[in-house]
Amino acid sequence: AQTVTQSQPEMSVQEAETVTLSCTYDTSESDYYLFWYKQPPSRQMILVIRQEAYKQQNATENRFSVNFQKAAKSFSLKISDSQLGDAAMYFCAKTQETSGSRLTFGEGTQLTVNP
Amino acid sequence: KAGVTQTPRYLIKTRGQQVTLSCSPISGHRSVSWYQQTPGQGLQFLFEYFSETQRNKGNFPGRFSGRQFSNSRSEMNVSTLELGDSALYLCASSQTRGYNEQFFGPGTRLTVL
Repeated sequence: AQTVTQSQPEMSVQEAETVTLSCTYDTSESDYYLFWYKQPPSRQMILVIRQEAYKQQNATENRFSVNFQKAAKSFSLKISDSQLGDAAMYFCAKTQETSGSRLTFGEGTQLTVNP
Repeated sequence: KAGVTQTPRYLIKTRGQQVTLSCSPISGHRSVSWYQQTPGQGLQFLFEYFSETQRNKGNFPGRFSGRQFSNSRSEMNVSTLELGDSALYLCASSQTRGYNEQFFGPGTRLTVL
């Protein structure tokens, strides 16, 4: 079974600072998508950023960017200029082989932003 | 566009009962997937529907079933509820199958007593 691993159950960052959340995954595929989702206390899952595996360029979305290392099967999320509203649980997810609609999620990283 | 809606938002049932949860995807989206979220198991894929057909199924017992209607709305049913079925059930929709962004609904919180 494919696995997605987030080794940091909890992280904290000072407001306006930068934080990096880690994610590694297991796959034998060459083409797949990776996502970071944010789940605030409301429990609504919000897509933060996505990366297509065949694209070498790292995805960027405003203050959010990723460091995608395909050979190392690593997909970290960097949040710059952290804001209080960034506090949430962050999930790394990967599309599953033979079914792009099926996502495998990591365990999640709880991010706290300190004022 | 309205987002993915799920009803009801909260549900309390007792063991042995059955429950039906509903999901309305974003207008124009034809693929609907269901996930179960629990503190112990995290987020786990239940099944995916597209064009009224189940296309993919996760590793859950047959007590978990679903269907999709011609307007892409989907329902999932859990029969003979067990305490372990207490979870947040999330529905996600995407325009089509394949490597598309999935947009999640707010979830249905099911508590089994």
